[in-house]
Amino acid sequence: DTGVSQNPRHKITKRGQNVTFRCDPISEHNRLYWYRQTLGQGPEFLTYFQNEAQLEKSRLLSDRFSAERPKGSFSTLEIQRTEQGDSAMYLCASSLDRDLNEKLFFGSGTQLSVL
Amino acid sequence: AQSVAQPEDQVNVAEGNPLTVKCTYSVSGNPYLFWYVQYPNRGLQFLLKYITGDNLVKGSYGFEAEFNKSQTSFHLKKPSALVSDSALYFCAVRPYGGATNKLIFGTGTLLAVQP
Repeated sequence: DTGVSQNPRHKITKRGQNVTFRCDPISEHNRLYWYRQTLGQGPEFLTYFQNEAQLEKSRLLSDRFSAERPKGSFSTLEIQRTEQGDSAMYLCASSLDRDLNEKLFFGSGTQLSVL
Repeated sequence: AQSVAQPEDQVNVAEGNPLTVKCTYSVSGNPYLFWYVQYPNRGLQFLLKYITGDNLVKGSYGFEAEFNKSQTSFHLKKPSALVSDSALYFCAVRPYGGATNKLIFGTGTLLAVQP
């Protein structure tokens, strides 16, 4: 399967713990996005990378959240000191750099449950 | 603020009947509009997009969408529904003038096709 891969699929953690998610985009895609989706809502934009550069961050991304894409390939999203409100599906997407209306390819997501 | 609205949480249709999933938008400038579909345990998949030109856009799996500027709508349609079309459908808009292909999603409409 050469689609967008996200690990783990599910993560259960206790409040206050740190968690890290990984996203492997489609290999030739140099744009990478993180979204968050809660039940009954559409995906909400969190942050965007072009190659290794993080070019945009949503106000939803508090100081407890950090994302990296060190070599312009895979990306990680870390949440420090998790809170119950962080429980959500975290989606990664990637796209080609042809034009700004290029379609996004989404992974299946990481479901985070904070107890 | 740029946004999309999906007024129906759920649409029920019998197999073989035409289906419509509604979407209205609010943007400044020219709208760039998209439809994505989410099947259970799978990532969102691109269906179609409107950028410019013909108001009727054709996409994957026999779906089409009609852009109506006067009504600020971008309804998703299919002439004959299949049970396999049952899924969660999201309308999305790309903010005009944005430097990324960050998307703003609606809240989603669950399509249920009965055999």
